[in-house]
Amino acid sequence: NAGVTQTPKFRVLKTGQSMTLLCAQDMNHEYMYWYRQDPGMGLRLIHYSVGEGTTAKGEVPDGYNVSRLKKQNFLLGLESAAPSQTSVYFCASSYAGGMNQPQHFGDGTRLSIL
Amino acid sequence: DQQVKQNSPSLSVQEGRISILNCDYTNSMFDYFLWYKKYPAEGPTFLISISSIKDKNEDGRFTVFLNKSAKHLSLHIVPSQPGDSAVYFCAAGIGGSNYKLTFGKGTLLTVNP
Repeated sequence: NAGVTQTPKFRVLKTGQSMTLLCAQDMNHEYMYWYRQDPGMGLRLIHYSVGEGTTAKGEVPDGYNVSRLKKQNFLLGLESAAPSQTSVYFCASSYAGGMNQPQHFGDGTRLSIL
Repeated sequence: DQQVKQNSPSLSVQEGRISILNCDYTNSMFDYFLWYKKYPAEGPTFLISISSIKDKNEDGRFTVFLNKSAKHLSLHIVPSQPGDSAVYFCAAGIGGSNYKLTFGKGTLLTVNP
C-alpha cells in the first residue's frame, strides 16, 4: 500500500540547472498538491491540481512549473534552479477538496541548490 | 503576514500527562481547522480536524477545541505517550475546503518516559 511516493528523495543541483520532481499516488485521488517546507516555517503551497489536466497556483508559485498529464502523477519542475529553492518538497493528494477528505503526504524530497 | 501562528516552537511533557498545543489565527474567513503530526524524515500525517460550527472534536486520546471569538484552537493529548513525540502543525482552510490550506510553523512535542 504505497500511498504517495516522491522521487527522488534527495538531490543536489547547481544554480541554473533544471530538474523535475515526480509525485505518484495510487489512491485514485482527484486533488494533488506540491508544498515546500523551509527551516522554521510551515508548509507553503506551491501549486495544486483539482483533476487530470488541471493546475493552479498556490501561495509561492514563482520559479516552478507543474503538470498533471495523468491522474496519478503530479510533476514539479524547476527550469533554472536558484539557491532560494533549497528546501524540502512535499507532495500530497486528497480524494477531493472538502472537509473530512484530508491530504495524504509523501515523505518529501530534500533539494539543495549550490 | 502569518495568518496561522503556533507561538510555542517546542513543548516537553512527561509520559501519562496532558499535552496542550496551541494555535492562533488572524483570518476570520477560516472555517475549517486541522492538525497534522510529522515525524523526522516522513511526511505529515492527518490527526484530527474541526469545523467552525463545532467547538470540540474528539478522537481517542486527541481532542481539538475551537474558540472562534478568540480565534484560538488547541490540541489536547491525554495521556501523552513517548510515540507522540513529533512536530505538530496546525492548518486552516476557507469555505469548508481542505485545499489551499495555511499552515503554522509547527510545535515540537517531546514526551519523556
